[in-house]
Amino acid sequence: EVLLLESGGGLVQPGGSLRLSCTASGFIFNTFAMNWVRQAPGKGLEWVSAISGSGANTYYADSVKGRFTISRDNSKDTLSLQMSRLRADDTAVYYCAKQSYWNGGYFGSWGQGTLVTVSS
Amino acid sequence: EIVLTQSPGTLSLSPGERATLSCRASQSVSTNYLAWYQQKPGQAPRVLIYGASSRATGIPDRFSGSGSGTDFTFTISRLEPEDFAVYYCQQYGSSPLTFGGGTKVEIK
Repeated sequence: EVLLLESGGGLVQPGGSLRLSCTASGFIFNTFAMNWVRQAPGKGLEWVSAISGSGANTYYADSVKGRFTISRDNSKDTLSLQMSRLRADDTAVYYCAKQSYWNGGYFGSWGQGTLVTVSS
Repeated sequence: EIVLTQSPGTLSLSPGERATLSCRASQSVSTNYLAWYQQKPGQAPRVLIYGASSRATGIPDRFSGSGSGTDFTFTISRLEPEDFAVYYCQQYGSSPLTFGGGTKVEIK
C-alpha cells in the first residue's frame, strides 16, 4: 500500500520560511515523479512543484518560482519543499502527491496534507 | 498554460440520478492526458479517471469519462450517497499542470 505522510506545516509570519517533508512508503520511491499540490481554504487545487524520479528535473508554478525549492532524498524515500519569502496567499493545505511514472503522469496517490498558515 | 473550465459549478441531484460534468480546455490536451479526481470534505483528492477514459484501480464502473482534444465529460451513471463530493479535472500533458475549478455535486 502506498503511503505518503506530510509534516512540517504550521504558523509562520509573512516573509518567513518553512520546510515541508513527505515520507513515502509502499513503492519504489526513485522510480516515480513527486509533486506538491496546495489548496487554499475553501478553494480549489493548485499544482505547486514537481520533481522527477532521479531528482534531475524540477518544475515550479509561476506563483512560487524563486521562493520555493523542491528536493528529494531517494536514500530516505523523502520529498521536501523549502518555502521562503512566504506570503499570506501561500496559506493552504499542502499535499504531497505521487505521479504515475518517473517523469510525469496523473496523481495516483496523495498524502493527507499539512496546513501552512502565513499570518502575523 | 492550459486553462480548464468546469461546468456547472454546482450540480444538485438526488441519489439514483445521473450526473454529467464538463471540463473544457483552452487548448488541446496532449495525448488526452486528462484526469478526474473526487474530493470529500477534510480529505485528500483521489483519482477516479485518467487518460480521459480509463478507470483507476478499484473505481466502480458507475464512474466514466470521455472526450478528447478540448472537451471532456465525466459521468456518474447512478449517484450513490457516497458520491456527493467535489470533482476536479486536471491535465497532465503539458507544464504547468493545471486543474479545473471544480464541480460540487450536492444532494437535492
